[in-house]
Amino acid sequence: DAKTTQPTSMDCAEGRAANLPCNHSTISGNEYVYWYRQIHSQGPQYIIHGLKNNETNEMASLIITEDRKSSTLILPHATLRDTAVYYCIVRVHLDSSYKLIFGSGTRLLVRP
Amino acid sequence: GAVVSQHPSWVICKSGTSVKIECRSLDFQATTMFWYRQFPKQSLMLMATSNEGSKATYEQGVEKDKFLINHASLTLSTLTVTSAHPEDSSFYICSAKDNFGNTIYFGEGSWLTVV
Repeated sequence: DAKTTQPTSMDCAEGRAANLPCNHSTISGNEYVYWYRQIHSQGPQYIIHGLKNNETNEMASLIITEDRKSSTLILPHATLRDTAVYYCIVRVHLDSSYKLIFGSGTRLLVRP
Repeated sequence: GAVVSQHPSWVICKSGTSVKIECRSLDFQATTMFWYRQFPKQSLMLMATSNEGSKATYEQGVEKDKFLINHASLTLSTLTVTSAHPEDSSFYICSAKDNFGNTIYFGEGSWLTVV
């Protein structure tokens, strides 16, 4: 299974960009990278996913390196409500099935 | 956006009894759903993959006879914790993949307390 490595914690100032790195050096060619976040006692919230190309949506941008061994989630203007645990996940393929394996995640604290 | 709903949100049951948690995809069809368990201050741990119309695939170390999974339709999967014990108390979360896309959505989670 491809595993991900993330910093345990990070912080940034409100209104600034938050850049959350993720290492997935063992990723295979057909495995997607997903990002979710979890606010205390709630289910994970989908943020974004990508395969090879950079992706952007209303919540964030996902930058995937050309060799696909790492990626960065960018929250362009962090707010206090973005304080959460952010999970970078590789969708692991198994025969005709697949699964999402969560790592430890990064605890992001957005400071006023 | 797509919604995955879990019911109940929280439940308290007596030791030795069984409790069922439902996971529904509200506006999309999901052939595949997943069940996770999360203990306080820990990450989510995948328990099993639920496949519509077939048997669930359990992760190593997860007792299939204790955690019964049924996925009878494209919008509903259920997890039954049988003969529950206090150590089964946890936050149980399901997720579902839209059949027509690659996005996987998570439910709000269900808190189980066994007393």
